[in-house]
Order: sequence, then C-alpha cells, then structure tokens
Amino acid sequence: EAGVAQSPRYKIIEKRQSVAFWCNPISGHATLYWYQQILGQGPKLLIQFQNNGVVDDSQLPKDRFSAERLKGVDSTLKIQPAKLEDSAVYLCASSPRDGQGEPQYFGPGTRLLVL
Amino acid sequence: GEDVEQSLFLSVREGDSSVINCTYTDSSSTYLYWYKQEPGAGLQLLTYIFSNMDMKQDQRLTVLLNKKDKHLSLRIADTQTGDSAIYFCAESIPMDSSYKLIFGSGTRLLVRP
Repeated sequence: EAGVAQSPRYKIIEKRQSVAFWCNPISGHATLYWYQQILGQGPKLLIQFQNNGVVDDSQLPKDRFSAERLKGVDSTLKIQPAKLEDSAVYLCASSPRDGQGEPQYFGPGTRLLVL
Repeated sequence: GEDVEQSLFLSVREGDSSVINCTYTDSSSTYLYWYKQEPGAGLQLLTYIFSNMDMKQDQRLTVLLNKKDKHLSLRIADTQTGDSAIYFCAESIPMDSSYKLIFGSGTRLLVRP
C-alpha cells in the first residue's frame, strides 16, 4: 500500500512570495490533515478535512493560509504572502475515517525556508 | 487545557532499555499515541493505547499509562542504534464532531554503540 505522498520535498522562497504544497493521501482514506512543525517542536494541526469538507480550521492563519481538498482526494495548502515565521516542515497525514482511535499516517513533509 | 510535555533528550547504550516519559493535561483524552520521527522523514506510528488500559506490549515496545497522574511512558527493550530518532507523544481529544491530536515537543533518543 502506497503511503501519503507530498511534494515538493523542499522549497526556498523570499518573504512576501507565495508557495503551494500538494498532498495525496492513502487511497480510500476519508480524513486528511495538514500540520505545521516548527524546528524543535511537535506538529501543530492547521486544518482537517473529512472527505472534501472542512472539519477544523481553527488554527489556520486564514489571512495568509488557504487549503482545499479537491474531490475529497488530493489537497493543496497555500501560503500567500509568506512570512519569515512560516519556515517549518508542513506535514500531511490521512486516516481511514475520523473516528475515535483512528491512527494518522504521515507523509514525509515539505520543508519550507522563507528568507 | 491542552498540553503535552516530554523531556528533551535521552541517551542510552545499545542493548539497554530506554524509557521515554510524557505527561498530558486533558482528562478527556481517549487515545494516546507514540510516533517516531527520523531525520528528514515524516512521523511513523509506533503504537497507541486506549485510555481505559494501563499497559500495552508490542514486541520490544511497552506502553504504560497512569491515567490518574496523566502520565504515559514508552519502554524500548534491547535498544538498537536504529532506534535513534525523535519520539513524540500525542493525545487524542474530542472536539465538536471529531478528534484532534495534540503533540508534545518530542524526546530525542540517542543510542550509543
């Protein structure tokens, strides 16, 4: 079974530029998550989708971050414009359902550096 | 509140046991997880325990849960150099219509040959 795929793996941009990340979850997984992991910290949830609907985006900085999940499968996360403090690893995860005890499976992440 | 605390660093000799500790604050936690992260990689699920259990064993891994003290530990028996990584504790807490994971900051395990 293929795992969660993410691209690109690395991205370097200047502040005020825009950037987009792509995630393809495990086939058949209904729930998709985007996390931000700042160096030295644990992942922090940005947004959670159930199929193509948003379940939780309370931690997403909506003035600059946006995310969508096309047809309930792939997802993109966009930052526009980027700030220095957005430098982090952006992790995508998926789980079969959104039920109690459902483990989340993580992709390798996209490492973003904002200069 | 939602907070998960872990010690930052642990160093052990190859073949010894490792014990990584975690404390959490939210009493509504339903499941607690241990993830492993190797350099440049995503998080790999190691094991998890339901909050009404006090122990779970899976090969070299033993998870102990003290729900009264909100304390979780991961014991790795016969630690190998390949176990060197960052280990994250996470609690699953219910939201309005879903659940979310709250992660600790991770414990870096270094296994010395």
